[in-house]
Amino acid sequence: DIQMNQSPSSLSTSVGDKVIINCRASQSIGTFLNWYQQKPGTAPKLLIHAASNLQDGVPSRFSGSGSGTDFILTISRLQPEDFATYYCQQSYSAPKTFGQGTKVEIK
Amino acid sequence: QVQLVQSGAEVRKPGASVKVSCKASGFNFIGYDINWVRQAPGQGLEWMGWMNPNGGNTGYTQKFQGRLLMTRNTSISTAYMELSSLKSGDTAVYYCARGRGGNGGKYELDYWGQGTLLIVSS
Repeated sequence: DIQMNQSPSSLSTSVGDKVIINCRASQSIGTFLNWYQQKPGTAPKLLIHAASNLQDGVPSRFSGSGSGTDFILTISRLQPEDFATYYCQQSYSAPKTFGQGTKVEIK
Repeated sequence: QVQLVQSGAEVRKPGASVKVSCKASGFNFIGYDINWVRQAPGQGLEWMGWMNPNGGNTGYTQKFQGRLLMTRNTSISTAYMELSSLKSGDTAVYYCARGRGGNGGKYELDYWGQGTLLIVSS
């Protein structure tokens, strides 16, 4: 199975800050990497697919990059509604594993 | 609009089975895989497997082999996830999600159901 490792596991930050979340795969997955946002008590929401493609309706302050084994989710200027947990997921091969999540909290 | 609506919360005793439904609307049900993902309390997301509603083909994570069954009823655009031999560790919220994109299964999960809470307790 492909292991997905996210870092950091949590971070405290402020509105307007730039946030960077890292995701590393245990083997090369090309660009078959997706990012999801989850708020408490709700289902995950797709933010970015195929490493760098913004899902329709997602604000442009979100961006993704990377290929192979190393990927990054960037939130350029954090808004109040962005405080949530973020997950990466590889869709290269089954089982389509998720990272352990990164919780973005208010400082 | 695309919607996946799941059945309500369930409580089961250890050793029992549960069947969760996921009703699709707003899109061609047989044109997209349905995936199931679960989330234990306070934990991360765990991908369980997928089903192709067109032919009924399935793929399950190894840890669930033998006690997980994904089926569908195309006449009512509904997918089902049945988990048997339940243990307390199966207590979680279970989500269905639509797989979008070709690439032989290398797709993203673009629409999700609201989740179904399963509690396994004696």
